[in-house]
Amino acid sequence: GQNIDQPTEMTATEGAIVQINCTYQTSGFNGLFWYQQHAGEAPTFLSYNVLDGLEEKGRFSSFLSRSKGYSYLLLKELQMKDSASYLCAVRDSNYQLIWGAGTKLIIKP
Amino acid sequence: ETGVTQTPRHLVMGMTNKKSLKCEQHLGHNAMYWYKQSAKKPLELMFVYNFKEQTENNSVPSRFSPECPNSSHLFLHLHTLQPEDSALYLCASSQDGSGGGTDTQYFGPGTRLTVL
Repeated sequence: GQNIDQPTEMTATEGAIVQINCTYQTSGFNGLFWYQQHAGEAPTFLSYNVLDGLEEKGRFSSFLSRSKGYSYLLLKELQMKDSASYLCAVRDSNYQLIWGAGTKLIIKP
Repeated sequence: ETGVTQTPRHLVMGMTNKKSLKCEQHLGHNAMYWYKQSAKKPLELMFVYNFKEQTENNSVPSRFSPECPNSSHLFLHLHTLQPEDSALYLCASSQDGSGGGTDTQYFGPGTRLTVL
């Protein structure tokens, strides 16, 4: 079966750095997405990785290792507004998106 | 700012009611999706429409009936639902639904459905 694993919940301090991991086992790979979802709101697109390596976008970076079936989302200089759920999704060989259950990130002052 | 809108935002219905959820996208996309989101579970893809044609139906019970009159509008008709159908229903759109390149999906804010 296909599976995406990410931690259920993480806690971090304002101003710090946090890394949210995502591991996947899918039938094929055609890209990995990260989304942010604030409570009661729409998931919003953060990043897309299809090649190995690090993609940086301001305070957020996303890393991919296809050989290890592994990605992480790195958030720097955390702000209170970063409190949200972070969803990892992988596009499989049929171009279907397989979703993780999301990681709820709690930021403390 | 979101280019995908959904109405209503909240809906409470009895098991014998019939209601409809509406989604509209203003992004010029050709693919639209319905997802179910339950607490602490992955997003469940329900239906996909590509250029107004249904291309995916992930074994969804017949009490959920989608309708896509054009590339900008998507409906989900609900009838005789069960309490376990209570969830957040999300609509999304993407450029062409092929999955090629990034073909990123953009989501609406969802309809929080409660079935009594």
